[in-house]
This record gives sequence, C-alpha cells and structure tokens, in this order.
Amino acid sequence: KAGVTQTPRYLIKTRGQQVTLSCSPISGHRSVSWYQQTPGQGLQFLFEYFSETQRNKGNFPGRFSGRQFSNSRSEMNVSTLELGDSALYLCASSLDRLSSGANVLTFGAGSRLTVL
Amino acid sequence: AQKITQTQPGMFVQEKEAVTLDCTYDTSDQSYGLFWYKQPSSGEMIFLIYQGSYDEQNATEGRYSLNFQKARKSANLVISASQLGDSAMYFCAMREASYSGGSNYKLTFGKGTLLTVNP
Repeated sequence: KAGVTQTPRYLIKTRGQQVTLSCSPISGHRSVSWYQQTPGQGLQFLFEYFSETQRNKGNFPGRFSGRQFSNSRSEMNVSTLELGDSALYLCASSLDRLSSGANVLTFGAGSRLTVL
Repeated sequence: AQKITQTQPGMFVQEKEAVTLDCTYDTSDQSYGLFWYKQPSSGEMIFLIYQGSYDEQNATEGRYSLNFQKARKSANLVISASQLGDSAMYFCAMREASYSGGSNYKLTFGKGTLLTVNP
C-alpha cells in the first residue's frame, strides 16, 4: 500500500515568488492536513481539507492557501514568498477527520522549501 | 501556554537498554488523544503509538509503550531494548479542538526530543 507522496521533495525559490506543493494521500483516505516545520516554531498546523473543502485553518496569513481535488489529492500554495517561509512542509492523510478515536495521521516525507 | 511539553531536548541511551521520553500536556477537555511520532533525519513522521484519554490500559505497540498518568497529565514514551535505528527525533502530540466547543481538530506537537542510541 503506497504511503503519502509529496512532491517536490526539495525546492529553492527567491523572495516574492510563489510555490505550489503537491500531496497524494493514501488510497481511501479522505482527509488531508498540512503542517509547517521550522527549527524555531516547530510543527504548526496549516489547514485541513476534507471532501474538497477546507475544514480547519491554522494561524497563518492569507498567502498560504490550498485545495483538495475529487480524488483527495491536495495542493498548497504560498504566494509572495518570504525568507521565513523556509521550512519543511509536511502533508498528512487520514481515513476520516481527526475528530475522535485513534484516527491516525500518516505523514509524507515532506517538501523542503528554501527561500533565498 | 505550551500545550505539549517535552523537557528533554536530547537523550542518549546504550543499545539494548530501555529509555523513557517525557511528555506532559495541558488541556481542559475530557476527551482527547495523545500520539507519539518518530522523525528520522529523512524527515518523514512515523506514527508510533496512540493513547485515548478514556483508555484505562496503557497503550503498547511492540517495543513501544506509553506510560499514561492522567492525573499528572503525562504521557511518557518507553522504548524497550533500544536499537541503533531508533536514533531520531521523537514528538509527542495531542489531538485538540481548534477552538473551545468546536468540531475541528488538529494535532498540537511538542518541541521534540532527539534520541541517540549508542552502540
């Protein structure tokens, strides 16, 4: 069973550019969440998508956006990149929403973004 | 206030010995979930073990067990018989509602503990 696949794994951008990251969840998983990981702030929740709708959003500026397609694949976009956006962006999928029980998030290997 | 506290930035353990990684949490919810994840240098977060707040038994998964002390709000991870491949960053996380009374949940992570297993 294939895991969560994130592309690209590594990318370098310059300030002011925009970037799109892709996430393919485990087959059958309907919920996709995104997290940002930096040395200073640790792991922070960005947003959650379920049934093509954003269900939950973390405390990030509007430059961070995403979407989910009918096949549950998800993309996140960061516009007008800043140096502080350099981070590992982790995508996670789960069968259902993280509302109760041992519904576990399965993470991908991440996309490491460097902004110069 | 920190919701998840991992007080050990780094830990060292000899191969084949047991090690305990500490985690304390803060919540006023009655129903919550606690998770431990492992992150090797490759970056991928690997799920290890889950404990629900109403679970009376401590969770176990192979060499991993969770020492859950609800009154003390602690959920320590115990790794028995450490292996070299256990060297990684370990994160404690709690499922919590995004806002009080809401139905949107997220995982809140601690800062992590870097475990090094020595041969």
